[in-house]
Amino acid sequence: EIVLTQSPATLSLSPGERATLSCRASQSVSSYLAWYQQKPGQAPRLLIYDASNRATGIPARFSGSGSGTDFTLTISSLEPEDFAVYYCQQRSNWPPSTFGQGTKLEIK
Amino acid sequence: EVQLVESGGGLVQPGGSLRLSCAASGFTFSSYWMSWVRQAPGKGLEWVANIKQDGSEKYYVDSVKGRFTISRDNAKNSLYLQMNSLRAEDTAVYYCAREGIVATSPWGQGTMVTVSS
Repeated sequence: EIVLTQSPATLSLSPGERATLSCRASQSVSSYLAWYQQKPGQAPRLLIYDASNRATGIPARFSGSGSGTDFTLTISSLEPEDFAVYYCQQRSNWPPSTFGQGTKLEIK
Repeated sequence: EVQLVESGGGLVQPGGSLRLSCAASGFTFSSYWMSWVRQAPGKGLEWVANIKQDGSEKYYVDSVKGRFTISRDNAKNSLYLQMNSLRAEDTAVYYCAREGIVATSPWGQGTMVTVSS
């Protein structure tokens, strides 16, 4: 089973700052990695697929990069609505898929 | 609009059973793999099970094998999860989700399952 490790567990930043979230896979997943955003009381929402492609309707301030085992989600300038929990998911060894443990992005 | 609506959650005693349902609309249900994903209170996401378009392939996380059964009725655009021998550690919000080629999306709003005496 491919294990995904996200870091940091919690990231404290202010609106307008740049956020950089990391996801590391225990073995190569090529570019088959997705990112999701989850706000309290809501279902996860797809942000990025295939490591770097924004899903429909996702603002350009969200970007993804990486391949193999190391991936990054970057939010260029944080808006108040961006404070949430972010999960990565591998789609290489599918089914099943696996998720990282999440990074909580909180307001500083 | 693509929509997934779960139902069937509730409070059940340890060892009991529950059947979750997911009603799909706005897309050709029979063309997609479908999944159940759960989230224990305050915890992360855990994939539980998924099923191929025609129901011929099914996969489960090890912790539910032999206890949970995923199924679907393409004529009714519905996905199901039969949960037997429930344990306290099965307590979670259960999400129904569509599996696309590149990602899991969209997700339903979830249904809460609480296993407690």
